[in-house]
Amino acid sequence: DGGITQSPKYLFRKEGQNVTLSCEQNLNHDAMYWYRQDPGQGLRLIYYSQIVNDFQKGDIAEGYSVSREKKESFPLTVTSAQKNPTAFYLCASSDRDRGHYEQYFGPGTRLTVT
Amino acid sequence: AQSVTQLDSQVPVFEEAPVELRCNYSSSVSVYLFWYVQYPNQGLQLLLKYLSGSTLVKGINGFEAEFNKSQTSFHLRKPSVHISDTAEYFCAVSYYTGTASKLTFGTGTRLQVTL
Repeated sequence: DGGITQSPKYLFRKEGQNVTLSCEQNLNHDAMYWYRQDPGQGLRLIYYSQIVNDFQKGDIAEGYSVSREKKESFPLTVTSAQKNPTAFYLCASSDRDRGHYEQYFGPGTRLTVT
Repeated sequence: AQSVTQLDSQVPVFEEAPVELRCNYSSSVSVYLFWYVQYPNQGLQLLLKYLSGSTLVKGINGFEAEFNKSQTSFHLRKPSVHISDTAEYFCAVSYYTGTASKLTFGTGTRLQVTL
């Protein structure tokens, strides 16, 4: 089955540690996205990538970093510079050939930093 | 700039009753509109989308929405809800920046269906 996988589903870290969230897709989509979700705030865009080896900052990129070395993979690193990292993180992808309009989402990773 | 407003943060409704979840958008360019559903601790699933054509759009699970350009609205409706419809619903607008396509989401409406 085609889809997006995110691992792990739950992640716990101590304050001051960097942590990397995995996102893999087998939909052959060009574009991939990372969102952060907090209660009552909807989804906010962290980073996005339209093609391999290229990515752009979204609305709340500070304290985060990404890489796009392969079409299928778009890992997100939450660095110690992110002041409030505890949140639910969602990865998505879209098909450039269909105008990117519709995004497909992974199941999410809930990160808790104490 | 694009923005989406979901006027109700929570909507309680009894099972088998009709429901409407409201969504208003603002945009200076052509828009493409979506409704997504999120069950607890899961990702988002597309319910329906409006790209062009008929303003009445039918989606999965018996939901439908009507695009109203003059009122800049895209309200979601279901004539008879089920307990399993309890979830968070997000309205979103897609727009092209010239180099990339993005989605802007509303803050969500929690639909609580009870017996």
